[in-house]
Amino acid sequence: AQSVTQLDSHVSVSEGTPVLLRCNYSSSYSPSLFWYVQHPNKGLQLLLKYTSAATLVKGINGFEAEFKKSETSFHLTKPSAHMSDAAEYFCVVSPGLYSGAGSYQLTFGKGTKLSVIP
Amino acid sequence: NAGVTQTPKFQVLKTGQSMTLQCAQDMNHEYMSWYRQDPGMGLRLIHYSVGAGITDQGEVPNGYNVSRSTTEDFPLRLLSAAPSQTSVYFCASTNQGSTRGGYTFGSGTRLTVV
Repeated sequence: AQSVTQLDSHVSVSEGTPVLLRCNYSSSYSPSLFWYVQHPNKGLQLLLKYTSAATLVKGINGFEAEFKKSETSFHLTKPSAHMSDAAEYFCVVSPGLYSGAGSYQLTFGKGTKLSVIP
Repeated sequence: NAGVTQTPKFQVLKTGQSMTLQCAQDMNHEYMSWYRQDPGMGLRLIHYSVGAGITDQGEVPNGYNVSRSTTEDFPLRLLSAAPSQTSVYFCASTNQGSTRGGYTFGSGTRLTVV
């Protein structure tokens, strides 16, 4: 069984300040972890992914995340928020791409809505 | 452009009506899935398929049917629509050997059942 907890349902930051979106996960396998972003009334866009290579993962638009197995965390960060970052962010876990048919199943967190104040 | 195509983008149904949400991908992905998104719930898996002719249930399968006759297409059928099925539906695909990374999502179908 696997689960994802996004610790904040809403985060508000000022433009130009750092962003931290927190995610804890639980998985019976060596997981793959993803962050997706969804802008209002849009589909989901992959920001970055961790699949058992480097624990510090760099994504698009200046975002990065660090996989910490001991803390079962995969927090998303960005040094300086931009107005265009305002969106909803989803942390997602999969059991791992090489764990059989069930490995394809994604489990989503409930989302964190990021607001950026000018 | 390569990707996942969902149709229609919007649909309004009356309670008890049936309909099919279409999903097609042109990336030769073996795995396809359907999710529904409800406010504050994230996305929840409805059904998935690991290849043509193979489907299985996800977390919230009741009221939905799927089939996978080709690699490209994975339609989702609502047999008798209920207001509880009002949601945004996303189709996604991936391939174990893909170098693209992650899963590719369609742009969604917003369904309202009245």
